[in-house]
Amino acid sequence: TQLLEQSPQFLSIQEGENLTVYCNSSSVFSSLQWYRQEPGEGPVLLVTVVTGGEVKKLKRLTFQFGDARKDSSLHITAAQPGDTGLYLCAGGLAGSARQLTFGSGTQLTVLP
Amino acid sequence: DTAVSQTPKYLVTQMGNDKSIKCEQNLGHDTMYWYKQDSKKFLKIMFSYNNKELIINETVPNRFSPKSPDKAHLNLHINSLELGDSAVYFCASSQEVPHNSPLHFGNGTRLTVT
Repeated sequence: TQLLEQSPQFLSIQEGENLTVYCNSSSVFSSLQWYRQEPGEGPVLLVTVVTGGEVKKLKRLTFQFGDARKDSSLHITAAQPGDTGLYLCAGGLAGSARQLTFGSGTQLTVLP
Repeated sequence: DTAVSQTPKYLVTQMGNDKSIKCEQNLGHDTMYWYKQDSKKFLKIMFSYNNKELIINETVPNRFSPKSPDKAHLNLHINSLELGDSAVYFCASSQEVPHNSPLHFGNGTRLTVT
C-alpha cells in the first residue's frame, strides 16, 4: 500500500481538454510538492503547497492542497501536447522532517 | 551548467558484478539523495546524506553502499548485482530538509542486469 495514492494512473486525452489528477493519503503532510518527469530525465518541481486549502496557479495548471493537508489535486486547463509526462506528488510527513514520500504517479498523454 | 549530474547514463552488466554510479551537484546544496525508480515509475528513497553524514538509510540490501567524499558528491556502489536491481537510479539534492525546498534530480542511470 502506497502512502500517497495518485489517480488516475494513466490518462490519455485530446489537446484542449481539461483534466484533474488526484493525490490522496490518510496521513497528514506538512507540505506537498508536484513534479513532472519527461522520458529520460529526472523529475522537475512544479510547485510546493504548504497551507491547508492553499491554491497555487502556474499558467494553465492549478494546484490545491486539501484543508486537512491529506490530499492534493492538479488541474490542467486546455491541455497541450507539451503537458505530456509523468506527474508525481510528493509529501513531507508532519513530524518527519527529513524525507519526501512520492506518490504512485500519473502518466499523462495529450494527443494533438 | 548541469546542476545535478550522474554518470553513467546507461549501465548494462551481468549478475554478480560490482558497479558504481557517480553523482555530483554544483548547487551548493547540503543534502543529497539516491532514489530508485522501478518499472512502474515508483520513486523510492534509498539513502540521504547531509553534509557528508548519512541521515536516511531505508531498507536497502547491504550490497548497496553510498559514499560521500564531500558534500558535492554522493556515489553509489553496488556489489554482487542481481536481476532485481535493474531499475533507473536517480541522484538528487536539496538545500536543506526537503519539505519546503525542492529536490533537484539528475537525469538518471538506467541499470540493466542480465
